[in-house]
Amino acid sequence: DAMVIQNPRYQVTQFGKPVTLSCSQTLNHNVMYWYQQKSSQAPKLLFHYYDKDFNNEADTPDNFQSRRPNTSFCFLDIRSPGLGDAAMYLCATSRGVGEQYFGPGTRLTVT
Amino acid sequence: GQNIDQPTEMTATEGAIVQINCTYQTSGFNGLFWYQQHAGEAPTFLSYNVLDGLEEKGRFSSFLSRSKGYSYLLLKELQMKDSASYLCAVRVTSGNTPLVFGKGTRLSVIA
Repeated sequence: DAMVIQNPRYQVTQFGKPVTLSCSQTLNHNVMYWYQQKSSQAPKLLFHYYDKDFNNEADTPDNFQSRRPNTSFCFLDIRSPGLGDAAMYLCATSRGVGEQYFGPGTRLTVT
Repeated sequence: GQNIDQPTEMTATEGAIVQINCTYQTSGFNGLFWYQQHAGEAPTFLSYNVLDGLEEKGRFSSFLSRSKGYSYLLLKELQMKDSASYLCAVRVTSGNTPLVFGKGTRLSVIA
């Protein structure tokens, strides 16, 4: 059974057209993360929610926003996607600072 | 800053043993994780070390030396399905600090 679910798995958007990626979890974990991973690179943390507290990484562009309406769901909004934003976007969850469970990822293509 | 080094690529033969090294220089240390990531898929948790020594889990073992800032992942009885990237990740302090990932080591298992 899927525990961290990401939709869609593949997303194509046009340059400058807003796009939203979604993540849901059935683990009841209190921490949710969004990572960006480009080919052959490490996952790069964009932001995370520890309970309701939002933590933005210092180098995350303003173009990226996030919402967590409840424990189970978290969204990544890219307001004006550029070609450089094409990547795999990974959602992960954890209970406190324990091991992180990753979703299958959403591969974003920007045309 | 945080720095985590791993070899970029390794090749090993089916049935053999391979050791993937990871060295880290971080501002604080509160645990080291190893994740496996198959191409196009999400990372999956393999092991966690917070104290010095060896943790064994089936065919996989992970070792940590905090004084040397060094860890390795040992894979025994290699199988073709072990071909994947292996990510070393460090939790740099206690509290709700997320993980810092290395770029990963791409392991190819050949017949």
